[in-house]
Amino acid sequence: GNSVTQMEGPVTLSEEAFLTINCTYTATGYPSLFWYVQYPGEGLQLLLKATKADDKGSNKGFEATYRKETTSFHLEKGSVQVSDSAVYFCALIAPAGGYNKLIFGAGTRLAVHP
Amino acid sequence: DTAVSQTPKYLVTQMGNDKSIKCEQNLGHDTMYWYKQDSKKFLKIMFSYNNKELIINETVPNRFSPKSPDKAHLNLHINSLELGDSAVYFCASTNTLGGAGRPDTQYFGPGTRLTVL
Repeated sequence: GNSVTQMEGPVTLSEEAFLTINCTYTATGYPSLFWYVQYPGEGLQLLLKATKADDKGSNKGFEATYRKETTSFHLEKGSVQVSDSAVYFCALIAPAGGYNKLIFGAGTRLAVHP
Repeated sequence: DTAVSQTPKYLVTQMGNDKSIKCEQNLGHDTMYWYKQDSKKFLKIMFSYNNKELIINETVPNRFSPKSPDKAHLNLHINSLELGDSAVYFCASTNTLGGAGRPDTQYFGPGTRLTVL
């Protein structure tokens, strides 16, 4: 079956620190991979995505590279800000006859302190 | 200009009541979803409709009944509410296939926080 495993949080960092949130997946077929972000009290926003091996998704200083050989899609940012404090979800969609389900990881809470 | 909207944003009700949550998307998408987010932030799909047809129905109690009057709307009706139904419910929409035949991005509404007392 399809599943996503993320590192457990919370991750607590000081402003300007380097961020990595690990994400690995198991999928039948050839999935598309996503990172969504949920700021406090808000809905989910797409942060970035990658649809094939070696693609790099990037947005707002965040990056993640689709690594088929290690089945990973780790999220990185070189210098975090307090405003990046949120819950980050790794997710995949594996094509299945057009009936696509987003499978989410458990989410990783990031807290950035000044 | 809201892409995916949900009403209400907050819903507080007593056990045993029946309530509905509404969702509308103006993105022209053909597929809509309901997700449930529990108190630990875990997200799980409940239902999906494609062009008003139910295509995904996860193991959800039959007290939950989705209805899609047209492809821009997907409502969720919940009968006989229970304490365990307290959660945040998210609506999402997408096109079944995006570029190069790949699954497309799902866009989420702001969520409806349901509290059952």
